[in-house]
Amino acid sequence: QKEVEQNSGPLSVPEGAIASLNCTYSDRVSQSFFWYRQYSGKSPELIMSIYSNGDKEDGRFTAQLNKASQYVSLLIRDSQPSDSATYLCAVTPYNFNKFYFGSGTKLNVKP
Amino acid sequence: GAGVSQSPSNKVTEKGKDVELRCDPISGHTALYWYRQSLGQGLEFLIYFQGNSAPDKSGLPSDRFSAERTGGSVSTLTIQRTQQEDSAVYLCASSLAGSWLDYGYTFGSGTRLTVV
Repeated sequence: QKEVEQNSGPLSVPEGAIASLNCTYSDRVSQSFFWYRQYSGKSPELIMSIYSNGDKEDGRFTAQLNKASQYVSLLIRDSQPSDSATYLCAVTPYNFNKFYFGSGTKLNVKP
Repeated sequence: GAGVSQSPSNKVTEKGKDVELRCDPISGHTALYWYRQSLGQGLEFLIYFQGNSAPDKSGLPSDRFSAERTGGSVSTLTIQRTQQEDSAVYLCASSLAGSWLDYGYTFGSGTRLTVV
């Protein structure tokens, strides 16, 4: 069983809509959770981190964490074509020695 | 430096040859990681260095892979007797210990390795 599962997509949304990206993880001791964005041919870049249950907002991005259900999600409001990328979910155990990455969800925002 | 620097950016090598990939982390970052990403796949953990502690090598796929970090800074990933399945983008990342929650890792631009 993979540590981190993501739907590979592609997820297509129209410009201005809300994009919802989901991630589930298998290790209950996972403590911290991260969303990275990766444009084609580029390296991943950090969007947000979250470690407490509930919502965390940063601009157009909201991360949601539910440890009881072992899922974390990312909402992108007012989606823009420039948001088109692959979004990687990463989790880390309590000792932070490495991140486990999902295989990513490809998002297409159509103008 | 200002960011994580990796070299070379591209490497084409013949099957059976050895290759060395270099990573220069952000100055002051004590944690350094190597990952690899095959086409269309997620990131696969390879090895992790933290300060003077013994590295976590649990992700290295075979004994053909090795890595070292000299002086707590620059790291070299060596792949011996390369195979075609080693073809991937090798990503290095660094982090300041204790800042993972806020800043995660910072990735370099990667080395694209092609074994022919």
